[in-house]
Amino acid sequence: DAGVIQSPRHEVTEMGQEVTLRCKPISGHDYLFWYRQTMMRGLELLIYFNNNVPIDDSGMPEDRFSAKMPNASFSTLKIQPSEPRDSAVYFCASTLRSSSSRGTDTQYFGPGTRLTVL
Amino acid sequence: AQSVAQPEDQVNVAEGNPLTVKCTYSVSGNPYLFWYVQYPNRGLQFLLKYITGDNLVKGSYGFEAEFNKSQTSFHLKKPSALVSDSALYFCAVRDMTGGYNKLIFGAGTRLAVHP
Repeated sequence: DAGVIQSPRHEVTEMGQEVTLRCKPISGHDYLFWYRQTMMRGLELLIYFNNNVPIDDSGMPEDRFSAKMPNASFSTLKIQPSEPRDSAVYFCASTLRSSSSRGTDTQYFGPGTRLTVL
Repeated sequence: AQSVAQPEDQVNVAEGNPLTVKCTYSVSGNPYLFWYVQYPNRGLQFLLKYITGDNLVKGSYGFEAEFNKSQTSFHLKKPSALVSDSALYFCAVRDMTGGYNKLIFGAGTRLAVHP
C-alpha cells in the first residue's frame, strides 16, 4: 500500500487567498484525521471522520476552516481566507478501528503539507 | 478524560548509551498506549503499542517500552542509542469517548543523540 497521500507537499500563498489541502487515506481505513503542527502549539487534532462522516470538529480553529470527505478515498481541508497565523504543517492520518477484523487502532500519517501564508 | 504527559521537552544521550523517553498516562479503563517518532520534515511514524499482555513491548528500530500500571507509565527505551535516533518522540493514548476512536498525543520529547 502507498500509505496516506497528501498534496501538495508545500504551499505558499498570500493572506486572503483560499487554500485547499488534499488527503487520500489508506484503502479500507474507516477513520480519517486532520492535524496541525506548529512550534508554539505542537500537534493539534482539527477534525476527524468515521465512515466519511465528521464526528468531532471542535479542534477547527475558526469558521475559516472547513473539511469534507465526499468518499472513502478522499478528503479536503480548506482555509478561506487564509491568514499568516495559519502557517503550519498539516497532517492527515487514517486508521481502521480494532473492532474490525483487521483493525489495529494504529494511526498512519501522511508526509504532511507545509503551508506558508505571507 | 484520557491524557498523556511527557515530562521532558528534550533528552540528551551519548551514542552507545541507553536511552529512556518518559511518558505517564491517565485513563479510565484499560489503556491502549502508543509511541510514534517524527524525523525532520516527515510525518509521524508508528513505533510500538501496548494493548494487553506482556508489559514489555518491542517495536521498530530496536525500541521497546515498558508498561507499568502501578506507576501509570509507558516509558520508551533503547539499550544503545544511535545518532540516527535523534528525532521527536510522541506518546499517545487511545480515547474511545462517545464510542469513537481517536488518539490523544503528548507534547513530544526531542531526543538528541550525540556522537
